[in-house]
Amino acid sequence: NAGVTQTPKFQVLKTGQSMTLQCAQDMNHNSMYWYRQDPGMGLRLIYYSASEGTTDKGEVPNGYNVSRLNKREFSLRLESAAPSQTSVYFCASSEALGGVSYGYTFGSGTRLTVV
Amino acid sequence: GNSVTQMEGPVTLSEEAFLTINCTYTATGYPSLFWYVQYPGEGLQLLLKATKADDKGSNKGFEATYRKETTSFHLEKGSVQVSDSAVYFCALRSQTGANNLFFGTGTRLTVIP
Repeated sequence: NAGVTQTPKFQVLKTGQSMTLQCAQDMNHNSMYWYRQDPGMGLRLIYYSASEGTTDKGEVPNGYNVSRLNKREFSLRLESAAPSQTSVYFCASSEALGGVSYGYTFGSGTRLTVV
Repeated sequence: GNSVTQMEGPVTLSEEAFLTINCTYTATGYPSLFWYVQYPGEGLQLLLKATKADDKGSNKGFEATYRKETTSFHLEKGSVQVSDSAVYFCALRSQTGANNLFFGTGTRLTVIP
């Protein structure tokens, strides 16, 4: 099925551990995004990639790094996890930056708990 | 800057009731406006959009009209169903600066039979 695939779906980390969240899309979209969703705060943009080979910081980039590995894949890395990074993480993609024509396609999310 | 303010939830309605979820925005220029819906355990899905003033977006019985004079984009549905239970997010894409979506905090709707 066409769409955005995120792995893993659930993860528990200890403070200070590192991990990489994987995201892949098969819709030939140019732009990809990482958001975090926290209660009462909606979705906040962490990083985005307007096109293959480019990445930019969003609203809350501290503590994260990203890699646009190719047109399909956009990974999010936590180098040293902190309890404040406990959240649900969503990857999304769009045919062009901002997704005006067709909107964003979202993955089903990764629920991360840092203890 | 860009921001979206949504009505606080949660909202609980009986089946066939009328729904309004308020959304107002702050942006420079002429943003595009969206409503996204998130069903339990899933990612967000585009519900409808409007790209210029006075446009009406519609889908699945939901409607929203882009009102520049009141900077609003309220979501409405005439008769809700149990299957409409979800979290609804208003969002804008600014015409200037970084062309990303800015989301509201979401409004949880529960429809009871």
